[in-house]
Amino acid sequence: GQSLEQPSEVTAVEGAIVQINCTYQTSGFYGLSWYQQHDGGAPTFLSYNALDGLEETGRFSSFLSRSDSYGYLLLQELQMKDSASYFCAAAPDSNYQLIWGAGTKLIIKP
Amino acid sequence: DGGITQSPKYLFRKEGQNVTLSCEQNLNHDAMYWYRQDPGQGLRLIYYSQIVNDFQKGDIAEGYSVSREKKESFPLTVTSAQKNPTAFYLCASSTLDEKLFFGSGTQLSVL
Repeated sequence: GQSLEQPSEVTAVEGAIVQINCTYQTSGFYGLSWYQQHDGGAPTFLSYNALDGLEETGRFSSFLSRSDSYGYLLLQELQMKDSASYFCAAAPDSNYQLIWGAGTKLIIKP
Repeated sequence: DGGITQSPKYLFRKEGQNVTLSCEQNLNHDAMYWYRQDPGQGLRLIYYSQIVNDFQKGDIAEGYSVSREKKESFPLTVTSAQKNPTAFYLCASSTLDEKLFFGSGTQLSVL
């Protein structure tokens, strides 16, 4: 079957850097997306990687290694507002019907 | 302001009842999606539509139905055949690329 694995919970300190990993197993692969979801809210798009390498968007960066079926989201200069769940999602075909990971709850301590 | 509007925010269903969740978008997106989210889990695709008057089943379509009569609207009906409907339902739209825009969701509970 198709699946994405990510840690269920990560804890970090305000101002620090945290990395959330995602490994995927899909029938095909067009790209890896990351979404942020605050409790009770809607997911919001953070980044998308179709090619190997690092994509940087402000304090957030996302990395992809297609050969390793692996990606990660890197959050720098953590702020309390970054406390949320983070989901990786893979597009197995060109229709972009995403397969989602179960999400990583990021807990930030002062 | 462009966006996706879901209503209602909270909905209660009695046993044997069909209920309809509304989703409207003014982003001029061709594709629309319905996802179900259970606590501590990722999103699971119920139905999606890439064009008006056409839609396809996702991974968990049983007990649900949709229509796409207008580009802006993609309502979801949770039928009495769905025996475990309690969940957070999310509607999304996209321009058939990698970026989804989500509505604020509807929490459905069973009385």
